[in-house]
Amino acid sequence: TAGITQAPTSQILAAGRSMTLRCTQDMRHNAMYWYRQDLGLGLRLIHYSNTAGTTGKGEVPDGYSVSRANTDDFPLTLASAVPSQTSVYFCASSDSGQGGYTFGSGTRLTVV
Amino acid sequence: GQNIDQPTEMTATEGAIVQINCTYQTSGFNGLFWYQQHAGEAPTFLSYNVLDGLEEKGRFSSFLSRSKGYSYLLLKELQMKDSASYLCAVVDSNYQLIWGAGTKLIIKP
Repeated sequence: TAGITQAPTSQILAAGRSMTLRCTQDMRHNAMYWYRQDLGLGLRLIHYSNTAGTTGKGEVPDGYSVSRANTDDFPLTLASAVPSQTSVYFCASSDSGQGGYTFGSGTRLTVV
Repeated sequence: GQNIDQPTEMTATEGAIVQINCTYQTSGFNGLFWYQQHAGEAPTFLSYNVLDGLEEKGRFSSFLSRSKGYSYLLLKELQMKDSASYLCAVVDSNYQLIWGAGTKLIIKP
């Protein structure tokens, strides 16, 4: 089934440890995004990539980094996790930025 | 700043009609999306409006007034499976999506 795959589904991470959240899409969409979703705050953009080889900062980029080596993959790395990064993380893609976004199933991360 | 306002929670009865409102103040406007999100799941696309007026898609309709910075999502013949959060999102002048916090819709039998 075409779409976006995120891994892992959930993770408990000790504060200070690093972790990479994986995101892969098979729709050949140019644009990809990482959001975090916290209760009462809605979706907040962390980083985005309009095309392979380029990335940009969103609303809440601090503590996170991304790379876009190819069209399909857009990993999100937490270099040194802190409890405030406890959240649900969604990866999304779109074919033009003006069309509908397709979301992955999310990664529930708990930093303790 | 940019702002999207939606009611936090609404309750409606199975079989009835409900209207979920969204008002926005953004730097530019290049379209408005409505997404549905069931608890513990990813958001899924419902509708996209870029011109004023009503877009109908089965039991769901979405309305836009750009001059008023206003949209609504209308759900008819409510079913229990419509219990979910409904997210309004606006495409700004940089073609970035600005998201509302979502409206949790509770359907009662």
